[in-house]
Amino acid sequence: DAGITQSPRHKVTETGTPVTLRCHQTENHRYMYWYRQDPGHGLRLIHYSYGVKDTDKGEVSDGYSVSRSKTEDFLLTLESATSSQTSVYFCAIRGQETQYFGPGTRLLVL
Amino acid sequence: DQQVKQNSPSLSVQEGRISILNCDYTNSMFDYFLWYKKYPAEGPTFLISISSIKDKNEDGRFTVFLNKSAKHLSLHIVPSQPGDSAVYFCAASGNFGNEKLTFGTGTRLTIIP
Repeated sequence: DAGITQSPRHKVTETGTPVTLRCHQTENHRYMYWYRQDPGHGLRLIHYSYGVKDTDKGEVSDGYSVSRSKTEDFLLTLESATSSQTSVYFCAIRGQETQYFGPGTRLLVL
Repeated sequence: DQQVKQNSPSLSVQEGRISILNCDYTNSMFDYFLWYKKYPAEGPTFLISISSIKDKNEDGRFTVFLNKSAKHLSLHIVPSQPGDSAVYFCAASGNFGNEKLTFGTGTRLTIIP
């Protein structure tokens, strides 16, 4: 157990509304990641962070922004949600051997 | 451009037999490879890894084989158990795991009792 929680676990929202997903870790890991999982695509990296206020883009970053003001929290924001952002979102941290994932947030954009 | 490919979306295996899951990659800069297992409504969990300096790594019932010349790796599970039914993702990275992971599309393994 890597001490990662995600909130909310499920969310339904409407197109055009802003949405923020939260990832919280309890073990002071420097690197944190946001992925989305979609059928036929596996897991794709959205954004990642390598320290407080230090973030960078992944392969599918368009339409998403992130913030990390504290080591333990990494926020993912959809500024104006679209139906194509309906997905399952996973947060991960880099541990000693590899990345460890949170339980996921299922987001439905109507 | 899919740099990590799992060409079999699904696989069914009898309980007790060997399960073999395959993964191909195209980026020659990848030097660290991992397998994750995922149950429904849960996050992926790390299963086993291998670095490019090895061609085999074993952990209990799980063995990963790496063929660098063919850019191919495989996960062997023997004997297969009902609890092994899950989606398996292959992943790769550079700099011996210190860079971003690139995932395959996953293979759904079903173990038939």
